[in-house]
Amino acid sequence: GQNIDQPTEMTATEGAIVQINCTYQTSGFNGLFWYQQHAGEAPTFLSYNVLDGLEEKGRFSSFLSRSKGYSYLLLKELQMKDSASYLCAALSGTYKYIFGTGTRLKVLA
Amino acid sequence: EAQVTQNPRYLITVTGKKLTVTCSQNMNHEYMSWYRQDPGLGLRQIYYSMNVEVTDKGDVPEGYKVSRKEKRNFPLILESPSPNQTSLYFCASSSQTGGRPQHFGDGTRLSIL
Repeated sequence: GQNIDQPTEMTATEGAIVQINCTYQTSGFNGLFWYQQHAGEAPTFLSYNVLDGLEEKGRFSSFLSRSKGYSYLLLKELQMKDSASYLCAALSGTYKYIFGTGTRLKVLA
Repeated sequence: EAQVTQNPRYLITVTGKKLTVTCSQNMNHEYMSWYRQDPGLGLRQIYYSMNVEVTDKGDVPEGYKVSRKEKRNFPLILESPSPNQTSLYFCASSSQTGGRPQHFGDGTRLSIL
């Protein structure tokens, strides 16, 4: 079957580092996406990994291990505006996307 | 400005009354997709389209229809809406797939009474 797991909620302090984990079981795995979704808004693209390793983009980094079916999103120097839901999504084959239920991150002052 | 536009943004209607949610993108994207988002279930893919006149089912296609007669438009049709289709719907597009990020519309909140 197709399945993606990520924690429901996390809390961190402004200025800190937080790691959001995602595990997946997906047939025809063809890459892992992370999206950010603020309450009441549309998801926006953060990162994409298809090969093992770390992709860094400013304060955000994403890691993938295909053999372990595991990814994480690392957010550094947390800001209040980072309070949002973070969605992990696997591409199955060429056209089908499987999303996790999202991790709601609260950043405290 | 590059965007995906959905209409309506909000709709309250009654069971059995056919409705269409429109989706239009101005980025010349080949790939378009519809999702529904429900609390505790995340985003689930309803239908997707790889190009004009080519569509396929996602994970939750029951009760929905789509068409792709033009590249820019991908309407979602609920022929006989039921209360279990009350949800937040998102349309998305990307230039092909295989690693291309999807651009999402602002969402349509549907309530079926």
